[in-house]
Amino acid sequence: KQEVTQIPAALSVPEGENLVLNCSFTDSAIYNLQWFRQDPGKGLTSLLLIQSSQREQTSGRLNASLDKSSGRSTLYIAASQPGDSATYLCAVPHQGGSEKLVFGKGTKLTVNP
Amino acid sequence: DAGVIQSPRHEVTEMGQEVTLRCKPISGHNSLFWYRQTMMRGLELLIYFNNNVPIDDSGMPEDRFSAKMPNASFSTLKIQPSEPRDSAVYFCASSLLGGGNEQFFGPGTRLTVL
Repeated sequence: KQEVTQIPAALSVPEGENLVLNCSFTDSAIYNLQWFRQDPGKGLTSLLLIQSSQREQTSGRLNASLDKSSGRSTLYIAASQPGDSATYLCAVPHQGGSEKLVFGKGTKLTVNP
Repeated sequence: DAGVIQSPRHEVTEMGQEVTLRCKPISGHNSLFWYRQTMMRGLELLIYFNNNVPIDDSGMPEDRFSAKMPNASFSTLKIQPSEPRDSAVYFCASSLLGGGNEQFFGPGTRLTVL
């Protein structure tokens, strides 16, 4: 059974700091991994989708890496801003390339001005 | 595109009442997903459809829950009768059919059952 763990559960940093969020999963036979952002009281916004053939994906100040062999992904946020404050969730397929996603419980990030 | 649309945004009801949540997926998307989010259990997939056909409903908690997708632009999630433990945020998401495609989420319906 696929399980996803995100550590830490919460993180508070000063503005401008670079930071890394971690995601680990138990079944490494996945085809892709997706990172989402969730603002309080809102839905999820897709940030990055990494296919298994890729090792990393970049969008602006965000960089996500995927290491299938170790069952890990990281989301790197450069030069953090107060507007980055949100909960970040990672999700992987239940198995293989399934559309059925399994989510971690997220890391709640607070960037202090 | 307006994105995934859900209604109502908030629902407060009493135990035993029927609750119907509605979702309109992004036009052109042919996969639709219903999720439930709680503090204790996080985000869980309840059921998903491909081309209006239910593919996996193993996440539906019990027979009180049912979902339908009568056409490509509309889906409902019904709870009858509702119970206080059903209180949660329910999200609908849509994507192009096939694993590896991004899922796009609606704003959610916050359900409170008293």
